[in-house]
Amino acid sequence: NAGVMQNPRHLVRRRGQEARLRCSPMKGHSHVYWYRQLPEEGLKFMVYLQKENIIDESGMPKERFSAEFPKEGPSILRIQQVVRGDSAAYFCASSPAQGAYGYTFGSGTRLTVV
Amino acid sequence: QQQVKQSPQSLIVQKGGISIINCAYENTAFDYFPWYQQFPGKGPALLIAIRPDVSEKKEGRFTISFNKSAKQFSLHIMDSQPGDSATYFCAASLTSAYSGAGSYQLTFGKGTKLSVIP
Repeated sequence: NAGVMQNPRHLVRRRGQEARLRCSPMKGHSHVYWYRQLPEEGLKFMVYLQKENIIDESGMPKERFSAEFPKEGPSILRIQQVVRGDSAAYFCASSPAQGAYGYTFGSGTRLTVV
Repeated sequence: QQQVKQSPQSLIVQKGGISIINCAYENTAFDYFPWYQQFPGKGPALLIAIRPDVSEKKEGRFTISFNKSAKQFSLHIMDSQPGDSATYFCAASLTSAYSGAGSYQLTFGKGTKLSVIP
């Protein structure tokens, strides 16, 4: 029973390029959450999605960032026109129902913008 | 934004010693307090969690102490081992009985880097 799968593990992008981060939730989990971890900081909530719906994107920057969780396939966090400040570790978590106590985190994608 | 304050930022403990990490929260409505362990290059993994109806929870060498009146909780690692060397995060949330944003968001502390030396 695979856990939460994130890919790629490491991603290097030049300023102005697009970054696409993928997250496949655990089997049976239909709730997906994205968090960002800056160096020496705790994780910060970005967005909560259920299949085909964005439930809460209050933690996501208004520009350049978007997220989706289609009916088929993984959840995607998309960052357009990346800047150096986007360099961080991005973690996805999934749960079988709404609720923080059910979280399982993936191993994250480390984004480096050069 | 509701905060969770964690201390110390880093901690060095000798093998066999007790590691203690403290957290304080502001939102009195929080009712779920997990601790996560994170190794380099990995995602956070749930270590132990407590709800405010108990003052202490123990699982093996890991114990959470909870002080509701002081709005503080702490993680104690007994007989610390080099394999415990990791970054530890406290967090807080509301349970899903409350249907608002707090029921699915975790508010994290900034983390404590624990090094257990032989």
